[in-house]
Amino acid sequence: EAGVAQSPRYKIIEKRQSVAFWCNPISGHATLYWYQQILGQGPKLLIQFQNNGVVDDSQLPKDRFSAERLKGVDSTLKIQPAKLEDSAVYLCASSLDLQGGGYEQYFGPGTRLTVT
Amino acid sequence: GENVEQHPSTLSVQEGDSAVIKCTYSDSASNYFPWYKQELGKRPQLIIDIRSNVGEKKDQRIAVTLNKTAKHFSLHITETQPEDSAVYFCAPREGDYKLSFGAGTTVTVRA
Repeated sequence: EAGVAQSPRYKIIEKRQSVAFWCNPISGHATLYWYQQILGQGPKLLIQFQNNGVVDDSQLPKDRFSAERLKGVDSTLKIQPAKLEDSAVYLCASSLDLQGGGYEQYFGPGTRLTVT
Repeated sequence: GENVEQHPSTLSVQEGDSAVIKCTYSDSASNYFPWYKQELGKRPQLIIDIRSNVGEKKDQRIAVTLNKTAKHFSLHITETQPEDSAVYFCAPREGDYKLSFGAGTTVTVRA
């Protein structure tokens, strides 16, 4: 079974520039998550999708971050404009289905973003 | 939101000894309690989980115990090996769907 795929793996940008990350979840997984993990901290949920609908985006800084999951499969997370404090690893995860009890989340390798 | 605390934040053990990490949470409605392991530069990986209708679960050298009344659950690693060195996160499920990750415990196994 193929795992969660993410790209790019690394990205370096200057502050005020834009960046986009891509995630392809495990086939058949209805739920997709984007986390931000700052060095030395636990992952923080930014946004959660169930199919192509948003379940929770309460911790997404909506003035600069946006995310979409068209067609309920792949997802993109965008930052525009980036700030220095956005430097982190952005992790995508997926799980089977909320209602079906598919609680286990499978993480992708992450995208390490450095903002200079 | 869920308030999650892990203790200790760092743990150094001699190879072969046991390690215990405790996680306390605030949401009494939490019903799913996983532990994730993250090696340096790698993704978090689920190592064991427990649901609220069970008090203990064991998988070879690792076990998780749950005390719902006191709102805490613990990770136990026995016969530690160098490959157990990593950061461990608890992530109780808040409400119906959201995992709230703790700050992590860095475990170092000394050879």
